[in-house]
Amino acid sequence: GDSVTQMEGPVTLSEEAFLTINCTYTATGYPSLFWYVQYPGEGLQLLLKATKADDKGSNKGFEATYRKETTSFHLEKGSVQVSDSAVYFCALSLASGSRLTFGEGTQLTVNP
Amino acid sequence: ETGVTQSPTHLIKTRGQQVTLRCSSQSGHNTVSWYQQALGQGPQFIFQYYREEENGRGNFPPRFSGLQFPNYSSELNVNALELDDSALYLCASSLRQPYGYTFGSGTRLTVV
Repeated sequence: GDSVTQMEGPVTLSEEAFLTINCTYTATGYPSLFWYVQYPGEGLQLLLKATKADDKGSNKGFEATYRKETTSFHLEKGSVQVSDSAVYFCALSLASGSRLTFGEGTQLTVNP
Repeated sequence: ETGVTQSPTHLIKTRGQQVTLRCSSQSGHNTVSWYQQALGQGPQFIFQYYREEENGRGNFPPRFSGLQFPNYSSELNVNALELDDSALYLCASSLRQPYGYTFGSGTRLTVV
């Protein structure tokens, strides 16, 4: 079945450090890929998305590129802030309006 | 935009009881999905409703059931609660087109 695998956490960085959170997927078709962020005590917020191979999603300084050849969608940010501390989820969807399949999540803590 | 509203935010139930969780979809959204997020895990798809009909179901037993109303609000019902049902339950609404899922803040259910 379809699945998403994220790098094991938690991840702890100092402010202004470079962030990479790895995400790979297995899917029977051509999925759309997403990164969601969850702040403490809150629901999920869409951070960025990419709907086809080689697309780059970007938002708030975060970027991820849809790599079909490596079935990956790694999240990157050049300079993290304390306010980026949250849990990050990689997810896929196989068709418009269909279910999301999530990874296990990666806890990011950014220290001043 | 009104966003997705879930109620209650927290509740505690006893094993064997029944519970109903409610979700008000974002204005204009005709599709609602429910997810279960156990502590430290990624959300798991329970089911989805489109125009009041169930339109996809995850690997959850029949004691998990739902409804969608003409105003596109929704309920999740869980019968015969088990301890493992303790989780954050998330509602997400969308239009029937790529990929505009909006999540609520969730209902934290504790079964004792």
